[in-house]
Order: sequence, then structure tokens, then C-alpha cells
Amino acid sequence: GAVVSQHPSRVICKSGTSVKIECRSLDFQATTMFWYRQFPKQSLMLMATSNEGSKATYEQGVEKDKFLINHASLTLSTLTVTSAHPEDSSFYICSARPPGQGFNEQFFGPGTRLTVL
Amino acid sequence: EDQVTQSPEALRLQEGESSSLNCSYTVSGLRGLFWYRQDPGKGPEFLFTLYSAGEEKEKERLKATLTKKESFLHITAPKPEDSATYLCAPDTDKLIFGTGTRLQVFP
Repeated sequence: GAVVSQHPSRVICKSGTSVKIECRSLDFQATTMFWYRQFPKQSLMLMATSNEGSKATYEQGVEKDKFLINHASLTLSTLTVTSAHPEDSSFYICSARPPGQGFNEQFFGPGTRLTVL
Repeated sequence: EDQVTQSPEALRLQEGESSSLNCSYTVSGLRGLFWYRQDPGKGPEFLFTLYSAGEEKEKERLKATLTKKESFLHITAPKPEDSATYLCAPDTDKLIFGTGTRLQVFP
């Protein structure tokens, strides 16, 4: 149980284009999902917390107009990187918190490697 | 400011050579501490949650312990398949990840 998927696993795009990444909880409903970014040999940095049916909460320093998050259903959250630039190249990972879980137990997706040329 | 430090950054062990990984933290409002395993190019895989000082949890060759200021992940008689990066994450109202310990176990 508690499986989270992401699509695509890898994406390469040209500078200036937008990229959408999907995060799905496959066997549970998640009212809360999280988006992280990880640079090589660095820790996971929380970008935003996504709540179903409401606006995402962004961490300080994360541009909400650049990283659009939509949590339209209890099993799907999307992250759209708008007007991507090479500095946005990174490993993006989502996680979901099953209902009824104590505190902040999260299960992570396999990640999406974004390369912006 | 919340801080999490993991040591060592990298650890090379011979198969069967036991060792410990350290996670020290300075955070406000600690609610628990998580350990994850991350393989290259993959998302973190949940290992343990510890909620209070003195708590211990075990899973196969791994045992996690928690004190008020740090947590340890003990690896007993590791195997090559235990090679991965191990991440700790204190839980305040969000998870704050350390940079991890890259463990390599050689046969």
C-alpha cells in the first residue's frame, strides 16, 4: 500500500517552454500532497504543500507564478514549471500523506528529472 | 533557524562490518523524526518514524534510535544491497531533510 507515482520520469525541454509533472496516489486518497526539489548531492527542499480543493502553500523563496500547483482531486496533484530556464533543471519529487496517518508521514513518488536546455 | 546535520557524508563498509549513521538537529517544535532510504535517481523510501526520546525501531539489519538532539541509524552486518543514501528528516510542521549519508557496502 501507499504507492505514489509520478509522470513523466524524465523530461527534456527547451528554455522558455512549460512543463507539467503529475503526481498520483494510487491506492489511497491524499488530501495533502507535497512538492520537493533536489539538486545533486543536496537535500530535498520543500517547495510547496498542496491541499485538495484549495490553493497551494509555497515555501519562502519559491515563485508561485513560476511553479503552478493544482490539486484537483484526492489522487492527483500537478506541478507546472512555467517558462522553464536551465536553472530550473533539477529532480522534482512529490509525496502524499495518507489520511489518518500520524503527524507528517509521507510516501514519496519516484521523482521526475527535468533538464532545460 | 532549523538545522539538520548528517554524518558522515559518505561511508564505505565491507560486507558484514557494522556501523552507525548520525543525524543531529536543532529544530523548534519537534513532532517526530523520519528515516528514509534513497537510491540514485529514485524518490525516498520510508524506513522509520520515531516520536519520542528513547524510542527504538528495527527493520531487518537496521535499527533507529532517538534522543533529544540526535538520532542514530545502526546498520548491523550490512550487505551490498544496503548501499544507498540514508536521509533523516525531523518533523516540525514540515519535514526538514538532512543532506544524507551515502553508504557503500562492498562484498
